[in-house]
Parts: sequence; C-alpha cells; structure tokens
Amino acid sequence: DIVVTQSPDSLAVSLGERATINCKSSQSVFYNTNNKNYLAWYQQRPGQPPKLLIYWASTRESGVPDRFSGSGSGTDFTLTISSLQAEDVAVYYCQQYYATPWTFGQGTKVEIK
Amino acid sequence: QVQLVQSGAEVKNPGASVKVSCKASGYTFTSFPIHWVRQAPGQRLELMGWINTGNGNTKYSQKFQGRVTITRDTSANTAYMELSSLISEDTAMFYCTRVPAYCGDDCYFFDSWGQGTLVTVSP
Repeated sequence: DIVVTQSPDSLAVSLGERATINCKSSQSVFYNTNNKNYLAWYQQRPGQPPKLLIYWASTRESGVPDRFSGSGSGTDFTLTISSLQAEDVAVYYCQQYYATPWTFGQGTKVEIK
Repeated sequence: QVQLVQSGAEVKNPGASVKVSCKASGYTFTSFPIHWVRQAPGQRLELMGWINTGNGNTKYSQKFQGRVTITRDTSANTAYMELSSLISEDTAMFYCTRVPAYCGDDCYFFDSWGQGTLVTVSP
C-alpha cells in the first residue's frame, strides 16, 4: 500500500496569515502517460464529512475559494491557504488515488492562533 | 443535486454485525459506483471497498476482506455496507461516497458524501 504522511500534525495560524500543509507519499503518484499527479485534498470540519478541495494535485474544485491552492509532483505535495479565515478551522487530508487501496494521510488540524 | 442519505447511528455488541444503508438521489444510481469509508476516532480515513451499482460487482480492501459485504438495491437507489464480527476497534463513523460526475475512468477522489453513520461497538 502507498503510505501517505502529512506534516505537521497540527498548526496554529493567525487570521489573514498563510497556512502550509505538506503531504508525502511513499511512492510516486505521477503517471507519465497523462502527466497527472493522482492526489487530492479534503477539508473536514467538526461533525461533517470531508469536502473535496483540490484534485490532480492542483485543480481547485468548483466553488472552493481561491485562497486554497495545491502544488507539488511525484511524492511531495503542498496545500496552501493564502490568507486564513475563521471558517478554515478544520482537519485537512490528502489522498492518493494512483494505486489501490487508495489511501489518506493522517490529517492536519488547522487552528487560529 | 446529488444527495447520499445514510441510516442512523447504531450500537452493537462485540461479535455482532451491522448493516448501514446509503440512499442516493439526484442522479442515475446505476451510473456511479458507491464507495465506503471508515473513520475511527483520531484515525485516518480508510477505504473499505466499493460496488459497481450497475452490475453489482464489488471490490474490498484487503484489511476488510472477509468481514465486509457491500450490496445494492437498484429499485431503491440504495447501497448497503455490512460489517461482521465487530470489535471495539470498529467503533467509527462510516461514510458512503461517490466520485464527481466529471470523472473519467481513472479518477477516484470523492465530491459527494453521506452525512455519516456512527457505529459504536460496546458490550
């Protein structure tokens, strides 16, 4: 199985400041044939199911604010929240869908400093 | 719009089985597989398996193979996940989920989720 590891486990950021979450996969999730990275990002607020934010590592889901962005390739990826808002308090997960079983990171909890 | 509505919370004894339902609406049920995800307290999300709602074919993650059965009733637009031989570590929230309509054959990320069903395993 591909192991997906996020860092840090938690972070506290001031309102309006940048939050950066890292995601590392145990093997590359880049597929040469179509030049795509098989990685997605989700936001999970307390008591709610996950919400899709980013797919193909950097494509923002429709309706997701543009302060959320994804980057990276191969085994190393980043989710950036450019200007943290109060409603962004949540746990964020990355997921690889390159190989079954599709696996998630352990989550990163984002709080307000 | 796409909606996935799951059955209510369950409390089960160790060794028992639990069956969770997921009723779909807002789209053609048989056009998209339904996947099941487990989220134990403080643990990462885990894919349990999925069902091709058109032909009923299933695929299970190795971790749950032998304990999980996923079925569907096309007349009711409903998928089911049954987990047997429950232990306390199975106490978790279970979600059904679906890939986006714009997905091709190779994308397995999820944009529609049920509200979750909490299963508590306790003697």
